[in-house]
Amino acid sequence: GAVVSQHPSWVICKSGTSVKIECRSLDFQATTMFWYRQFPKQSLMLMATSNEGSKATYEQGVEKDKFLINHASLTLSTLTVTSAHPEDSSFYICSARWGLSVDEQYFGPGTRLTVT
Amino acid sequence: AQSVTQPDIHITVSEGASLELRCNYSYGATPYLFWYVQSPGQGLQLLLKYFSGDTLVQGIKGFEAEFKRSQSSFNLRKPSVHWSDAAEYFCAVGVGNMLTFGGGTRLMVKP
Repeated sequence: GAVVSQHPSWVICKSGTSVKIECRSLDFQATTMFWYRQFPKQSLMLMATSNEGSKATYEQGVEKDKFLINHASLTLSTLTVTSAHPEDSSFYICSARWGLSVDEQYFGPGTRLTVT
Repeated sequence: AQSVTQPDIHITVSEGASLELRCNYSYGATPYLFWYVQSPGQGLQLLLKYFSGDTLVQGIKGFEAEFKRSQSSFNLRKPSVHWSDAAEYFCAVGVGNMLTFGGGTRLMVKP
């Protein structure tokens, strides 16, 4: 089946620094990638949608300048959390979609970010 | 806008017992409906989906779900739970390009 990887699986950074999270579709080309944020014991909240070669579309309330998304190729999207603060600590999950249907979406294992 | 409610945050069942996880959605029409399972350290895995047609859908790992339009529900069931089913379960609705998730239900399985 389709596999999506994320790297790193967990990261600890100091407040004020930036951290980059990679999302890769390993065996298919992803026309669209999605980034979600999951707070402890809560659901996934969509942060942004990105199409290869285009600017990401951010959901309401998500700071574009804090959460930089780049979708440079059909197999790679990156999320950079800039000037991280402790409140940015969360579980970040990406998903990748190869077709146009909402069900053709495969999820990565997630990245645990802790900002100290 | 669509929304999804999973009324049960935690459920504990004994191994071998039957299971039903509840899901209610709010949307003006019939959306696409999904159940996902999330195990620690792993991504969300699709268990089953409903688009149209037969309201009882079969999924992987012995799960099934029934769409009831009159109740705006899409409950997940399994006749006999295995210890390996312990995980977080998410119901989701798909409208257009987007998936909207419920709050999740954590399933614990007693030996």
